[in-house]
Amino acid sequence: GEDVEQSLFLSVREGDSSVINCTYTDSSSTYLYWYKQEPGAGLQLLTYIFSNMDMKQDQRLTVLLNKKDKHLSLRIADTQTGDSAIYFCAEPIYNQGGKLIFGQGTELSVKP
Amino acid sequence: EPEVTQTPSHQVTQMGQEVILRCVPISNHLYFYWYRQILGQKVEFLVSFYNNEISEKSEIFDDQFSVERPDGSNFTLKIRSTKLEDSAMYFCASKDKSNYGYTFGSGTRLTVV
Repeated sequence: GEDVEQSLFLSVREGDSSVINCTYTDSSSTYLYWYKQEPGAGLQLLTYIFSNMDMKQDQRLTVLLNKKDKHLSLRIADTQTGDSAIYFCAEPIYNQGGKLIFGQGTELSVKP
Repeated sequence: EPEVTQTPSHQVTQMGQEVILRCVPISNHLYFYWYRQILGQKVEFLVSFYNNEISEKSEIFDDQFSVERPDGSNFTLKIRSTKLEDSAMYFCASKDKSNYGYTFGSGTRLTVV
């Protein structure tokens, strides 16, 4: 079935690294995505990774992809209070109109 | 940078009333989507639209829901007779012909009272 799983909560101290994990289901997904949602706001594309990559780094963000285990992670280095938000991973299902399937979202709380 | 625009940002309606949520996708995009997010829950797929027809719909998208692309620029979601449980944030998204170019609007918060 189509199911993307994430842990629901993560709490870190300012300056620490945060790691948010996700497992997905469709091995044919060409891209995998991380979205950020601040309270009351919309979905902001944070980063994505192409499926033939193992890692992608973008400033403080590092995405790791383990295709064998269908495991995706997002590492935020030097986490700031402004990083407090809900983070969703998402995979596209291309043979069904390209819809995105979202995980439940991980609420990241950054304490000063 | 091109944006997906959704209006209104917040709509309050009485149970049983019809609502139309409006979206203006990015002009050269070909695939259009509606998603909803009930408060505190995950983002759920409702419907995808390509080449002027629905390409897929979820179980949530029952006969009370319909979509239209009436004039080549707008993409609307209509709920015929709203129920309390339709209260949610509704997101429109569009995608170009690539496999990665999804862009989401900022959402319409629908409150059914």
